[in-house]
Amino acid sequence: GENVEQHPSTLSVQEGDSAVIKCTYSDSASNYFPWYKQELGKGPQLIIDIRSNVGEKKDQRIAVTLNKTAKHFSLHITETQPEDSAVYFCAAGHGNNRLAFGKGNQVVVIP
Amino acid sequence: EPEVTQTPSHQVTQMGQEVILRCVPISNHLYFYWYRQILGQKVEFLVSFYNNEISEKSEIFDDQFSVERPDGSNFTLKIRSTKLEDSAMYFCASSEVDRGNYGYTFGSGTRLTVV
Repeated sequence: GENVEQHPSTLSVQEGDSAVIKCTYSDSASNYFPWYKQELGKGPQLIIDIRSNVGEKKDQRIAVTLNKTAKHFSLHITETQPEDSAVYFCAAGHGNNRLAFGKGNQVVVIP
Repeated sequence: EPEVTQTPSHQVTQMGQEVILRCVPISNHLYFYWYRQILGQKVEFLVSFYNNEISEKSEIFDDQFSVERPDGSNFTLKIRSTKLEDSAMYFCASSEVDRGNYGYTFGSGTRLTVV
């Protein structure tokens, strides 16, 4: 089945700097790649997703890039703010229902 | 904004006891899911449910687990005889249509502690 690896496990950035989280996946049939943000005491919230027919998608300060050949995709957060501090999960899936998640990345934005 | 609601937020149970975790998906959603996350590990898929039946389940979802949609609003996960290794955060999720078109909406989770 699909295996998703996420790096780094923890990332500290100064407020205003950019943060990049990378994920790799194993199943070349995967065609849907969402990113979730989880704040303390809450469930994961979808923040952005990308399908395999595009290479990049942007939504304000958040962008996701996808390299199908290398089987990796990345989350980019620009101009980080303290409220960006959270755990971020990547996931991958295809035509069936299940998503395979990465282990999560703790992002800490230092004011 | 519509939410997926999970109760209880924290459940402590004795090993061997049955537990039922409850979820109220978003009302117009058609697909329902359970995932779990053992502390420090990945979020793992357990089961998906559509049209009143299981559409897919993982190898984790053995005979000790069952799901039910007893009425038009609730979606439950039952663990018949809990084990210590069932201790985890359990997340319910729902989606409006095929997950290929829309992302899931997750609940806040139930932390299950088996002692």
